[in-house]
Order: sequence, then C-alpha cells, then structure tokens
Amino acid sequence: DGGITQSPKYLFRKEGQNVTLSCEQNLNHDAMYWYRQDPGQGLRLIYYSQIVNDFQKGDIAEGYSVSREKKESFPLTVTSAQKNPTAFYLCASSRLAGGTYSYNEQFFGPGTRLTVL
Amino acid sequence: GQQLNQSPQSMFIQEGEDVSMNCTSSSIFNTWLWYKQEPGEGPVLLIALYKAGELTSNGRLTAQFGITRKDSFLNISASIPSDVGIYFCAGKISGSARQLTFGSGTQLTVLP
Repeated sequence: DGGITQSPKYLFRKEGQNVTLSCEQNLNHDAMYWYRQDPGQGLRLIYYSQIVNDFQKGDIAEGYSVSREKKESFPLTVTSAQKNPTAFYLCASSRLAGGTYSYNEQFFGPGTRLTVL
Repeated sequence: GQQLNQSPQSMFIQEGEDVSMNCTSSSIFNTWLWYKQEPGEGPVLLIALYKAGELTSNGRLTAQFGITRKDSFLNISASIPSDVGIYFCAGKISGSARQLTFGSGTQLTVLP
C-alpha cells in the first residue's frame, strides 16, 4: 500500500537536545512538507521540498532544519534553538504538476508527538 | 502569514442532525480542500474543489467552491458518532507560489 510513514509516534527529549523526526513516502511524490500543529490551531508550515537536494523555509523555520537526500525521505531536525518544540509534527507529500490543480492535494502521515521535558 | 477564517470553531450536535461549516478569505483561491483529523492522527483528505461554483459530494459530505473564489462550505448530512473530529479547510491562493493555507479547524462533537 502506498502511503506516508512517520516515526516514532511519540518522542520525548530533554531540553537542549536536538531530535530528528523521520518521514518516508512511497507515493512517488516529488514534494514533501513539514507542519507543526499546536492545540486549537491550524497547521503551520515549517519547511518544504519540491526536489531532491533542495528545500525552502516555510512560515516558522527558525529552530528547525531539514534534508532531502532521497525523493522518498524528508527528515526534520528540531534543534535546541527552537524555543517551544513541544508539538504535534505532521509530514505531507504531493505531486508537483498535473493537468488540473489536483497537484495541490497534500497527503499526510500519522504524525509524531514531540514532548520536551 | 495569510489566514483563513474558519467557522464555527466548535459544534455540538445531536446524532442525525445536519452540519455546516465554512471558510473565508480575502484572497482568491484556485483550490479548496477539506480534511478531517481524528485525535492523534494526521488529517485525511475528504474533498477537493478546483472550480468556482463546483459542488462535490463524498458520501454524506458535500462541499462547494464559492462563486467569489474566496470561500468554501462543507456540509455533513445525517451526522453519526464517527463524524467526530476536527475538520480543516485548506486553500491555494491563485497566482501565488505560497503553499497551502489552512484554517484553524472546526471541532465537531456528535451527541448520541
């Protein structure tokens, strides 16, 4: 089955430690995205990548870093510089082009809940 | 950043009732998407809309792309307990390189 996997589901870290969240997709999508979700709020874009070895900052990139060495993988590192890292992190992917605007459709993974103690 | 105004913020309804929620923006969109998110899970795409005035159904769900291209509506008919969750709208601003913009969500509770 095609889909997006994120691991781990729950992650606990001590303050000041960097942590890397995994995201893998086998949908053959070109574009991948990382979002942060806080209670009662919509999704905020952290980083996105439309092609291997290239990525762009979203609205809240400070304190985060990403890499895109393979089409299938887009890991997110939450660094110690992120002031309030406890949140639910969602990875998504989409096609890059198509005959209609259907390439705007993003498909999400199950999420990783990060708690910094 | 650009915001979508989604309302209502929460709804408590009786099983069997119909539900309506909407999103509005000051920008023109070329795509409207509606997602459902259950607790602790990622959002699942319910309906996608691409043309002004378009009306699309998915089972008991019906969504419309507003004629002004600045709003969208989602209706759920004959609600059931498994409809519980947070419903998000998302849109792509026409002519912008900006990625999807998300509403803040409508929390739906269905009472038996």
